[in-house]
Amino acid sequence: QKEVEQDPGPLSVPEGAIVSLNCTYSNSAFQYFMWYRQYSRKGPELLMYTYSSGNKEDGRFTAQVDKSSKYISLFIRDSQPSDSATYLCAMYMEYGNKLVFGAGTILRVKS
Amino acid sequence: KAGVTQTPRYLIKTRGQQVTLSCSPISGHRSVSWYQQTPGQGLQFLFEYFSETQRNKGNFPGRFSGRQFSNSRSEMNVSTLELGDSALYLCASSFHLGYGYTFGSGTRLTVV
Repeated sequence: QKEVEQDPGPLSVPEGAIVSLNCTYSNSAFQYFMWYRQYSRKGPELLMYTYSSGNKEDGRFTAQVDKSSKYISLFIRDSQPSDSATYLCAMYMEYGNKLVFGAGTILRVKS
Repeated sequence: KAGVTQTPRYLIKTRGQQVTLSCSPISGHRSVSWYQQTPGQGLQFLFEYFSETQRNKGNFPGRFSGRQFSNSRSEMNVSTLELGDSALYLCASSFHLGYGYTFGSGTRLTVV
């Protein structure tokens, strides 16, 4: 079993839809949680970064962390075709200085 | 503010050759990490350097090596290239060790 599980998709939604992307993890020692967006032929770009359980909002993006369930989510409101990309979750623990990425979910927003 | 710069962007090598990839981190960032990205395996951690010292290493054979210079620039080297080494190699830098990375656009290595 992988430490971080993420459905690779692809996830296809119409423009304007609310998108929900999710990751689960098995190691409760993870402390920091991140979401990256990667466009084709580009490196991943840090979107959201959070430490505690709860919600963190940034524009159309909301990151949600539930440490008790070992579950994190990224919500995208009013999705746009420009949001079409691969979204990777990532988790870090200070013990062992360990950063682990999910496999990435391919998102396609249709106009 | 300049981002993470990786050179070259594309590279074609033959089996058995060796290759050196370069990464210039964001100014002020002392942590530099390297990742291999393939469609089948996703992002796999190679190694991380902080203040010229290797702090962490992934599960890759000894053919993969790296170093960091005093100005935080980093290089990774792959010797005796194999077809399976074809991938996008990404460098990321951070002010902190381990998280908050900014990635470069990568070097696309093709081994033929």
